[in-house]
Amino acid sequence: QKEVEQDPGPLSVPEGAIVSLNCTYSNSAFQYFMWYRQYSRKGPELLMYTYSSGNKEDGRFTAQVDKSSKYISLFIRDSQPSDSATYLCAMSDSNYQLIWGAGTKLIIKP
Amino acid sequence: SAVISQKPSRDICQRGTSLTIQCQVDSQVTMMFWYRQQPGQSLTLIATANQGSEATYESGFVIDKFPISRPNLTFSTLTVSNMSPEDSSIYLCSVEDGARAYEQYFGPGTRLTVT
Repeated sequence: QKEVEQDPGPLSVPEGAIVSLNCTYSNSAFQYFMWYRQYSRKGPELLMYTYSSGNKEDGRFTAQVDKSSKYISLFIRDSQPSDSATYLCAMSDSNYQLIWGAGTKLIIKP
Repeated sequence: SAVISQKPSRDICQRGTSLTIQCQVDSQVTMMFWYRQQPGQSLTLIATANQGSEATYESGFVIDKFPISRPNLTFSTLTVSNMSPEDSSIYLCSVEDGARAYEQYFGPGTRLTVT
């Protein structure tokens, strides 16, 4: 079993829809939870990070962490074609080494 | 945020040869990382490179196959030695933000195809 599980997709939704991207993990020592976005032929870029449990909102993006269920989510409201990318979750414990999910390819159809 | 460039952006190489990938950062950083990203798979950390010390390799990666140099605080190279088709992948370098160690900035990647 991988430490971090993420459905690779692709996930295809119409423009304007609410998108839900998810990861599950097995290591209860993880404290930092990140979402990176990667456009085609580019390196990943940090989109959001959350420490411990709870929600964090930034514009159209909301990151949610449920440590009791070992489950994290990224919600995108009013999705746009420019949101089409691969979204990778990453997690770390106090040693800060990142453990990555496989990435979910998201396609927003105009 | 740091700006990172990589050279080459892509290359096609014959098996048995070696390729050196360069990573240049626009600011001084302590830790640099080298990753491999294969299609449909997660990023896999190859090694961590600190200036002035030997690189630290992750399980499954060895120095003879992936020698790394870190001559100063803005530059690093990764060599993929004695290549085989299984080495075909995207190789990424990254640096961490000193204030937030979990935040990493990535270069655009080097797309390597071994024939």
